[in-house]
Amino acid sequence: GAVVSQHPSRVICKSGTSVKIECRSLDFQATTMFWYRQFPKKSLMLMATSNEGSKATYEQGVEKDKFLINHASLTLSTLTVTSAHPEDSSFYICSARIRPGANYGYTFGSGTRLTVV
Amino acid sequence: DQQVKQNSPSLSVQEGRISILNCDYTNSMFDYFLWYKKYPAEGPTFLISISSIKDKNEDGRFTVFLNKSAKHLSLHIVPSQPGDSAVYFCAASATYSGAGSYQLTFGKGTKLSVIP
Repeated sequence: GAVVSQHPSRVICKSGTSVKIECRSLDFQATTMFWYRQFPKKSLMLMATSNEGSKATYEQGVEKDKFLINHASLTLSTLTVTSAHPEDSSFYICSARIRPGANYGYTFGSGTRLTVV
Repeated sequence: DQQVKQNSPSLSVQEGRISILNCDYTNSMFDYFLWYKKYPAEGPTFLISISSIKDKNEDGRFTVFLNKSAKHLSLHIVPSQPGDSAVYFCAASATYSGAGSYQLTFGKGTKLSVIP
């Protein structure tokens, strides 16, 4: 089945540094990827929609300059948390729609646990 | 304002019995609903979905019921097994073109514990 590979699964970084999270679609082309963030005991909150070859669309309240999204190819989307601070510590998950145009078939990456110390 | 609500943060069920997880939504534009299962530190795994043109969809031990007039859906798991213990998220999407199309809106999740 369609698989999205997300790396790294866990990362600990120092405050002020940047962290890149990658999501790759392994056996399909993902024209659109979604990036979510989950706080403890909270829902998955959509941060941004990443479209191949164009600028990402950010949800209200999400800082574009802090969470840089690049979707340079049909199989790779990256989220870079720039100048990370402890409040950025969270669980980040990417998702891709398996069939563009179909209203079903979302597959998720395994998530990245970011801890900023 | 939460458009998808799962009002029960947790649910405990005896093994072999039925688990019923509930979800309410407020956006009448939603026309597709999905349930995901999630273990700690992992991404969600798709379980079952239902289109607004149906009121029931069944897949093995999992059945989803949709009541459009009440804007309510539920996931039934029967019989419940200890391996079903996880957090279950309800999600909804609306089919329309333009920015925001096909985005999933998630509820906060319900933690299901199946007791052996």
